[in-house]
Amino acid sequence: VQLQESGPGLVKPSQTLSLTCSVSGGSISSGDFYWTWIRQSPEKGLEWIGFISSSGSTSYNPSLQSRLVISEDTSKNQFSLNLTSVTATDTAVYFCARAFGYYYYYMDVWGKGTTVTVSS
Amino acid sequence: EIVMTQSPATLSVSPGERATLSCRASQSFSRSLAWYQQKPGQAPRLLIYGASTRATGLPARFSGSGSGTEFTLTISSLQSEDFAVYYCQQYSDWPPTFGQGTKVEIK
Repeated sequence: VQLQESGPGLVKPSQTLSLTCSVSGGSISSGDFYWTWIRQSPEKGLEWIGFISSSGSTSYNPSLQSRLVISEDTSKNQFSLNLTSVTATDTAVYFCARAFGYYYYYMDVWGKGTTVTVSS
Repeated sequence: EIVMTQSPATLSVSPGERATLSCRASQSFSRSLAWYQQKPGQAPRLLIYGASTRATGLPARFSGSGSGTEFTLTISSLQSEDFAVYYCQQYSDWPPTFGQGTKVEIK
């Protein structure tokens, strides 16, 4: 399985950050996997954003929940992140990853990451 | 949320020597802990899960141990490719959380 993030590298403050993760080598609808977004910044380190499961259920970090939607497009074998009302604190490298299971929530496959800068 | 604290922040080790990295949790849990390795410009790579189970293909020089609030990653004989930043992550409680990392550098 391979994952690849895509999306704009620059987003203006107050706008919406939208990223897509394309999955190859396996279906996002099969198995008991949790398709995950994680970000990394010098200030906060590695921060779990949320997931969408193979069955379509979602879970979000409480600190981001009010601004965040994670969705899937099974026809394209992709899942996406939409984060609204961004500020400079949302500047980070964003990774998509596969987690092994709800009670075994470690990430065994990662995308290479994409850098997102929030700036006017 | 469970806060993960790693020590030391930086570990200077000579090639061939042993490295011992620590990860402490703010709350006790059994063995729901993973370790990752990250090199500059790359994504983290899973090394260990379940506190002590090596990921597929991981060399035996890497070992994990611990439970409760104290966990350890040991690299028995450092190779040049092992110089990197290492992170622990708990998955005992939601949200999953990471330590701030230990950088293993060449002495």
